[in-house]
Amino acid sequence: DAGVIQSPRHEVTEMGQEVTLRCKPISGHDYLFWYRQTMMRGLELLIYFNNNVPIDDSGMPEDRFSAKMPNASFSTLKIQPSEPRDSAVYFCASSTRRYGYTFGSGTRLTVV
Amino acid sequence: GNSVTQMEGPVTLSEEAFLTINCTYTATGYPSLFWYVQYPGEGLQLLLKATKADDKGSNKGFEATYRKETTSFHLEKGSVQVSDSAVYFCALPQGGATNKLIFGTGTLLAVQP
Repeated sequence: DAGVIQSPRHEVTEMGQEVTLRCKPISGHDYLFWYRQTMMRGLELLIYFNNNVPIDDSGMPEDRFSAKMPNASFSTLKIQPSEPRDSAVYFCASSTRRYGYTFGSGTRLTVV
Repeated sequence: GNSVTQMEGPVTLSEEAFLTINCTYTATGYPSLFWYVQYPGEGLQLLLKATKADDKGSNKGFEATYRKETTSFHLEKGSVQVSDSAVYFCALPQGGATNKLIFGTGTLLAVQP
């Protein structure tokens, strides 16, 4: 298994632009989580899905952030418009009830 | 709800020194407990886990014992290497029907040659 696949690995964009981060979870995993990691705030859970349905989006910082999971093998996290304070590493993770989380390698986002 | 507290870092050690990173938890019942490790530039990965009280999880020379009397799950290693330099996270399930994990704030370990 290739693990959780995130793309792109690095993204540099200008303030105001739309950014889309992508995640392919491990086949058979029914939970998907989006996290953000910064030096100041540490690891923050943004939103998670169970069987493609959003369960808890209380960690999404504001309306500029949105996430979708159209099917079991794909999810996106979109920021529109992006701001410099959104600069962070964004991780996707998938899991089942029986097994622990598997994290992707992350997307390092820089908004200039 | 369930919660976890781990010692703040950074922890700086010389190679071959003994490592302890403290983790205590508050939980309803006896949930599984986890340690995750994050190497530079990578995502978190599961290091070890314990599924019930008095269990000892172990991997790569690291150990942690699930102690319900002290509600602790301290991470230990007898002789650290430079390659162990990473951030270590203690975690436990939020509880209920969800598969959501609650992570500690992470402890940075720096091992010097």
